[in-house]
Amino acid sequence: SQQGEEDPQALSIQEGENATMNCSYKTSINNLQWYRQNSGRGLVHLILIRSNEREKHSGRLRVTLDTSKKSSSLLITASRAADTASYFCAFYMRFGAGTRLTVKP
Amino acid sequence: EAGVAQSPRYKIIEKRQSVAFWCNPISGHATLYWYQQILGQGPKLLIQFQNNGVVDDSQLPKDRFSAERLKGVDSTLKIQPAKLEDSAVYLCASSFSGQGKLFFGSGTQLSVL
Repeated sequence: SQQGEEDPQALSIQEGENATMNCSYKTSINNLQWYRQNSGRGLVHLILIRSNEREKHSGRLRVTLDTSKKSSSLLITASRAADTASYFCAFYMRFGAGTRLTVKP
Repeated sequence: EAGVAQSPRYKIIEKRQSVAFWCNPISGHATLYWYQQILGQGPKLLIQFQNNGVVDDSQLPKDRFSAERLKGVDSTLKIQPAKLEDSAVYLCASSFSGQGKLFFGSGTQLSVL
């Protein structure tokens, strides 16, 4: 199907810890994107990784892509309470169900 | 730079009534998307426009939903008649190209009673 599956569905960590979220998919892709959503409203783009790239960084975010395993991961390092949100992977403009991250102060 | 504008922010209607949502994308963005997001789920793509043409409407319930993007700029999404299961946040997004980064509006929260 043309949407990813995020894992875990929910994740709760302490401030300062790292958070890792995974996305698996079944089709071939041109690129994969990660988005964040606070409070169930507009989504914000985080990172786009192309199919010929293996890793990208943006500040405290690190995204990896393994096309042989059809999976991607999003790592947030040194998490903060403000990182509390839902995180979605997307490709071909379709979104998965997301991972709900809670960062406790 | 102005973002994606959507209105209204909230709408409450009774089932079988009709409702319309409006979206104005970022200037210069050729591609416009409408998503439906039910509480606790990810956004579901309803329709994608490239300029004023439809690229993908495979998940649009065409018996009750319609959308248009006249002149290739702003867009309206209509539901007629509404059902209880249409209660959701309706998100509009735009992008410069069809495979690029999406910019989202704040959404319209629809409650159907």
